[in-house]
Amino acid sequence: NAGVMQNPRHLVRRRGQEARLRCSPMKGHSHVYWYRQLPEEGLKFMVYLQKENIIDESGMPKERFSAEFPKEGPSILRIQQVVRGDSAAYFCASSVPGNTEAFFGQGTRLTVV
Amino acid sequence: AQSVAQPEDQVNVAEGNPLTVKCTYSVSGNPYLFWYVQYPNRGLQFLLKYITGDNLVKGSYGFEAEFNKSQTSFHLKKPSALVSDSALYFCAVREDTGRRALTFGSGTRLQVQP
Repeated sequence: NAGVMQNPRHLVRRRGQEARLRCSPMKGHSHVYWYRQLPEEGLKFMVYLQKENIIDESGMPKERFSAEFPKEGPSILRIQQVVRGDSAAYFCASSVPGNTEAFFGQGTRLTVV
Repeated sequence: AQSVAQPEDQVNVAEGNPLTVKCTYSVSGNPYLFWYVQYPNRGLQFLLKYITGDNLVKGSYGFEAEFNKSQTSFHLKKPSALVSDSALYFCAVREDTGRRALTFGSGTRLQVQP
């Protein structure tokens, strides 16, 4: 059973471009969480999704950021018109319904130049 | 609102000595508590969790943690540190009901010297 898969592992974007980060949860997991980690800081919650539903987006910036988790395929975190301050590691975690424990992917490191 | 405090940015310990990484938390309801470890340029690996029951929780790689409700603490411990334990450790909390997302502490870097 493969773990949580994130791609790409590293992503470089120029200011103003779009960044798309993908997360394939563990097999059988229908809950996905996205977190952002700035250098030398802890993880900050961004959004919690179930298949085709956004459950909690209280940590998402109001503009430029969006997330989806379609019925088929990976969860996508999209950042439009990236700025230097978006440079961070973005981690995805997944869990099964009712489970207390979430499993993390290896992250996507976004660098905005 | 939930919060986690890890008061030490870094903990240094000699190999073979016991280690403790401190964590205190604040939640409205009953806490679910977690410890994760992060190696350089890697994701987070789950170490252990407290949900209910015995206050002393045993986890991966010989780590354990003690839940103390009166002190709202969940310190991570290991009787004998290894050089390979050197990494970044995160404590996290969520409530037993309501919001499922984890709130993380700022992390503690553990350095084990040979």
